[in-house]
Amino acid sequence: SQKIEQNSEALNIQEGKTATLTCNYTNYSPAYLQWYRQDPGRGPVFLLLIRENEKEKRKERLKVTFDTTLKQSLFHITASQPADSATYLCALEGGSYIPTFGRGTSLIVHP
Amino acid sequence: DTAVSQTPKYLVTQMGNDKSIKCEQNLGHDTMYWYKQDSKKFLKIMFSYNNKELIINETVPNRFSPKSPDKAHLNLHINSLELGDSAVYFCASSQDPDNEQFFGPGTRLTVL
Repeated sequence: SQKIEQNSEALNIQEGKTATLTCNYTNYSPAYLQWYRQDPGRGPVFLLLIRENEKEKRKERLKVTFDTTLKQSLFHITASQPADSATYLCALEGGSYIPTFGRGTSLIVHP
Repeated sequence: DTAVSQTPKYLVTQMGNDKSIKCEQNLGHDTMYWYKQDSKKFLKIMFSYNNKELIINETVPNRFSPKSPDKAHLNLHINSLELGDSAVYFCASSQDPDNEQFFGPGTRLTVL
């Protein structure tokens, strides 16, 4: 069966460090993968999209990698700040225009 | 200007009632979606509507029906509400199915 796995345990890091979040998937062949941020009581906010022919994408302090062989995406936030604390969701194109989201990983950045 | 808006923000109702949630996007997007986020925060696609083509997640009960009066609106109608329908419902839109989605603020539905 198709699965998207993100660490269910919260990731706690110190301000200034690099946060690395993982998204693993099985039985998908996604044309692209997206990362979103969700704050409590709000809708998800788009961060980055990476396509299957791209290995890496960057936007300011954010970097996403996409390894279709390992079936994994890594999401990095460099020089993390307490304001980066949120839940981060990965989403795959699940075929037939059905976006499929992972359960998300909570990131807590301590000052 | 709000890109994707939903009304109401909160909806409390009794089991068995019929209710609607409205969604509007002012981004000129061609694709709109409805998601359900349960108490465990799992965001699950319910419907995708692109150029008058409706794609339904087969696990969605037929008590749920999307209605699109025009390209900027995708409303969600729910008949015979059940306790398990309590969740936060998000509307979203994108230029096309392969691009980033813009989410609304969500509607918290509580069925008593």
